[in-house]
Amino acid sequence: NAGVTQTPKFQVLKTGQSMTLQCAQDMNHEYMSWYRQDPGMGLRLIHYSVGAGITDQGEVPNGYNVSRSTTEDFPLRLLSAAPSQTSVYFCASSYSHRGNYGYTFGSGTRLTVV
Amino acid sequence: TQLLEQSPQFLSIQEGENLTVYCNSSSVFSSLQWYRQEPGEGPVLLVTVVTGGEVKKLKRLTFQFGDARKDSSLHITAAQPGDTGLYLCAGRGSARQLTFGSGTQLTVLP
Repeated sequence: NAGVTQTPKFQVLKTGQSMTLQCAQDMNHEYMSWYRQDPGMGLRLIHYSVGAGITDQGEVPNGYNVSRSTTEDFPLRLLSAAPSQTSVYFCASSYSHRGNYGYTFGSGTRLTVV
Repeated sequence: TQLLEQSPQFLSIQEGENLTVYCNSSSVFSSLQWYRQEPGEGPVLLVTVVTGGEVKKLKRLTFQFGDARKDSSLHITAAQPGDTGLYLCAGRGSARQLTFGSGTQLTVLP
């Protein structure tokens, strides 16, 4: 089925380790974004991309890097994991047509940093 | 930073009851979306409202966008256990990014 695929679904890291969360979409959407979801805080935007080769920071970008070499893929890198980065991470892609838009979310990566 | 406040944060009701969830902000949004999220899954888009005062219906769900485009409500008629989930509102401002509310966790008891 078409959609947004995130891997892995679960991950445990030790403080200081680095890792990459993968995100791929097959809907040819230009806009992709990463959110983290913490209890009682909704979803907060980490980084986003309006197209291949273009990325920008969201509300909570510190400690994370992104790149967008292709339309399909938008990986999120944790440079040096900290316990404060324990969260559920969601990748989303979006179309935009004549002012209408719709976000499709992946099923999330649950990350625990110990 | 545009903020969206949702109320109530938690809601537990019996099957067949009606309920309303509110989403409020001091900022104006060009449009507002409602999502529903189930455990272990990402949010799923329910509706997008664009025009101030707009009302949209999706079966037993009624969504309204405030006249000033600063607030929205979701009303569910005759709630069913299948309506259980986390309901999130999200506003789109001048940029393309979405700002999410903190969510309303709805539990409908059989």
